[in-house]
Amino acid sequence: DAKTTQPNSMESNEEEPVHLPCNHSTISGTDYIHWYRQLPSQGPEYVIHGLTSNVNNRMASLAIAEDRKSSTLILHRATLRDAAVYYCILRSNDYKLSFGAGTTVTVRA
Amino acid sequence: NAGVMQNPRHLVRRRGQEARLRCSPMKGHSHVYWYRQLPEEGLKFMVYLQKENIIDESGMPKERFSAEFPKEGPSILRIQQVVRGDSAAYFCASSYGGGTTNEKLFFGSGTQLSVL
Repeated sequence: DAKTTQPNSMESNEEEPVHLPCNHSTISGTDYIHWYRQLPSQGPEYVIHGLTSNVNNRMASLAIAEDRKSSTLILHRATLRDAAVYYCILRSNDYKLSFGAGTTVTVRA
Repeated sequence: NAGVMQNPRHLVRRRGQEARLRCSPMKGHSHVYWYRQLPEEGLKFMVYLQKENIIDESGMPKERFSAEFPKEGPSILRIQQVVRGDSAAYFCASSYGGGTTNEKLFFGSGTQLSVL
């Protein structure tokens, strides 16, 4: 999988939106952008994925830049349960996900 | 529909013993992946299996570690003669298909292995 760059950590207040950036300047045309998160003492959990268009689901929204070299995961109203490590992963034609260090999100009550 | 089930949740072994970690994939999934997460580190791919076949074991140490996914029953990750450095969280994931960019992986809650 191609490399992604994420900030080490972000803080947010409860009930406020969280915007998690991810840079992937070497993305290829067939790479999907996947986001997973890992809550403390849990396995990773799928959040969302997309190719070119912005995507929404019940958990989050994914905004993809027009040139696809960056994307942003948006949690619309952070809750304490959203405190986790968030991983941005490019899925190329490969069966395995390659996890980086991710962004540790802290939510203040 | 139950998710990916891993057991045991916690496993304590003394140095030199064997550790067996079990993973039951989601119903209908025939692809299993094992990952290891050392303390304060990220998840590292170990092995990818389909039913009765090891597809990629490039992330698994050559010695003492083995994995299987039999026709019937759960996938097993076996660690022989454990050492303290094997202490980690081991996660299993499953997927319906494999090798596609659109595929989601579903992870279990992991087995925390502690070697005394």
